[in-house]
Amino acid sequence: AQSVTQLDSQVPVFEEAPVELRCNYSSSVSVYLFWYVQYPNQGLQLLLKYLSGSTLVESINGFEAEFNKSQTSFHLRKPSVHISDTAEYFCAVIPVGGGFKTIFGAGTRLFVKA
Amino acid sequence: DSGVTQTPKHLITATGQRVTLRCSPRSGDLSVYWYQQSLDQGLQFLIQYYNGEERAKGNILERFSAQQFPDLHSELNLSSLELGDSALYFCASSLEVDQPQHFGDGTRLSIL
Repeated sequence: AQSVTQLDSQVPVFEEAPVELRCNYSSSVSVYLFWYVQYPNQGLQLLLKYLSGSTLVESINGFEAEFNKSQTSFHLRKPSVHISDTAEYFCAVIPVGGGFKTIFGAGTRLFVKA
Repeated sequence: DSGVTQTPKHLITATGQRVTLRCSPRSGDLSVYWYQQSLDQGLQFLIQYYNGEERAKGNILERFSAQQFPDLHSELNLSSLELGDSALYFCASSLEVDQPQHFGDGTRLSIL
């Protein structure tokens, strides 16, 4: 079975400061890794994903995440946040080749302060 | 705009009733995924269809069922509703079988 742990339920940060949202997973098989963002009263939006290849993946709006197999982590980072980044962020895994069941973390609420 | 359409946006009903939630995937997408989001359970995967066939089943109750039709739209049927079924139900779609990419805005179900 797989599980996903998002270590921080809330992360307050000042505008233009760097931020890291932590995600660790547990799985006995290979997984695909995802970060989604949810703005208030909206559905989830795919931020970035790791399927294979380069362990560093980037999104179009400045976020990046690095897959670390030895530490089973997929932390999300942004060097300088904006007020508009305030949202809930979900880390998720899908086991490769069997079941395709999405397992989500509990979410991290990022609150960017002026 | 994700291109995924969910109807209705809000649904209020009573315990014991049955409801149907509808999802139209983004044009060209073959996979449809259903999720439940609630305060106590978080985001839970319910079920996935790919080109009309069930591909994966998650924490879906026996009172719930789903199907994907030949035109690729999907319906989630919830019956014998209980107070605990109150939640936001999301549909997602993707071209691939294993990468939920485009999410609808959800159907908020309230059981009174």
